[in-house]
Amino acid sequence: NAGVTQTPKFQVLKTGQSMTLQCAQDMNHEYMSWYRQDPGMGLRLIHYSVGAGITDQGEVPNGYNVSRSTTEDFPLRLLSAAPSQTSVYFCASTRTTTGELFFGEGSRLTVL
Amino acid sequence: AQKITQTQPGMFVQEKEAVTLDCTYDTSDQSYGLFWYKQPSSGEMIFLIYQGSYDEQNATEGRYSLNFQKARKSANLVISASQLGDSAMYFCAMRSTGTASKLTFGTGTRLQVTL
Repeated sequence: NAGVTQTPKFQVLKTGQSMTLQCAQDMNHEYMSWYRQDPGMGLRLIHYSVGAGITDQGEVPNGYNVSRSTTEDFPLRLLSAAPSQTSVYFCASTRTTTGELFFGEGSRLTVL
Repeated sequence: AQKITQTQPGMFVQEKEAVTLDCTYDTSDQSYGLFWYKQPSSGEMIFLIYQGSYDEQNATEGRYSLNFQKARKSANLVISASQLGDSAMYFCAMRSTGTASKLTFGTGTRLQVTL
């Protein structure tokens, strides 16, 4: 049982480049979300989805796009990377009965 | 708006001792859930314990217990019999009912367990 799988684990980008962080879960959870973690700030919600075809913005959505074409996958896109997007990114899916979030292992992104 | 406050940036505890990590929250919602997650140096987020706002008993999971004081809006994590492997960052988080994907996190407390 893989749970939540994120790729890549590490990525270095130059300012202005684009990339996609992949996230997949095999628990058939309807709810998925993306967080970023910065030093001293805890985790902050970027975007979330309550089911295939439905997404919404979180606390810090600017500079990021998401889509949810299937229950399993929830990719996060950076269209034009900026140094302020240097962070650790976590994808999560939610067990709706308890609200517990299951996190991926995280993706460390550096934008130069 | 919801807010989680963790006022202890760092804590030290001796092995086998108990330790309390503080968490206070602010919300106008009547129904909400409170979580604690552990983040070891390897970086993954590990779920520890959950408390619902209507739960009458404090939640317990093994050596972890949540001291829930609703009137004070506090949800402190108590770790009994600390182990070296408990050294990690600990995050308190809250969600409101109906927003299952949306957790609001505190800034975390770094716990160091010493011999």
